[in-house]
Amino acid sequence: GIQVEQSPPDLILQEGANSTLRCNFSDSVNNLQWFHQNPWGQLINLFYIPSGTKQNGRLSATTVATERYSLLYISSSQTTDSGVYFCAVIRDDKIIFGKGTRLHILP
Amino acid sequence: KAGVTQTPRYLIKTRGQQVTLSCSPISGHRSVSWYQQTPGQGLQFLFEYFSETQRNKGNFPGRFSGRQFSNSRSEMNVSTLELGDSALYLCASSKRVQGNTEAFFGQGTRLTVV
Repeated sequence: GIQVEQSPPDLILQEGANSTLRCNFSDSVNNLQWFHQNPWGQLINLFYIPSGTKQNGRLSATTVATERYSLLYISSSQTTDSGVYFCAVIRDDKIIFGKGTRLHILP
Repeated sequence: KAGVTQTPRYLIKTRGQQVTLSCSPISGHRSVSWYQQTPGQGLQFLFEYFSETQRNKGNFPGRFSGRQFSNSRSEMNVSTLELGDSALYLCASSKRVQGNTEAFFGQGTRLTVV
């Protein structure tokens, strides 16, 4: 089945820094999403981005489908950005997640 | 537009008991899928329902079951609970539009088995 790999697994940054999270997938996809898991466990939709680039405030994402990777950029990090970021694809009507990147933003 | 609603939010059960979790999808979404999240195993797929039919099932024992009703609401049941069933259970609803499917998650049910 399709494999989704995220890197780095952990990232510690000072408030105000920028960060780049990467997601590699092993097969072509037409559905790719980025989620942020908040401290209470809910997965918050950040981007639906099977290809191209999108921006939402300090966050942006780029998916290069032909090269099978996606990047999530966080600029001017805030402590509220802390948490786990998941990349996920949908294959055969089930969501396949990467293992996530745990981001710690220090004040 | 209401989001995905899961109930209850928290649950404490004793080993050997059974539990039923509920998920109400976004209006108009007919696909509902369930995931178990544990610290050691990450997010694992349990099963997916569409129009009251189970289309996919993950690699979980038969103690884990589910169903979907005609209004697309879904329930999952875990019988003979084990300590290892303690986890966050997440439900997602989705709708395919012109070949694209975006999933939305509920707040989850945190189950503790003691």
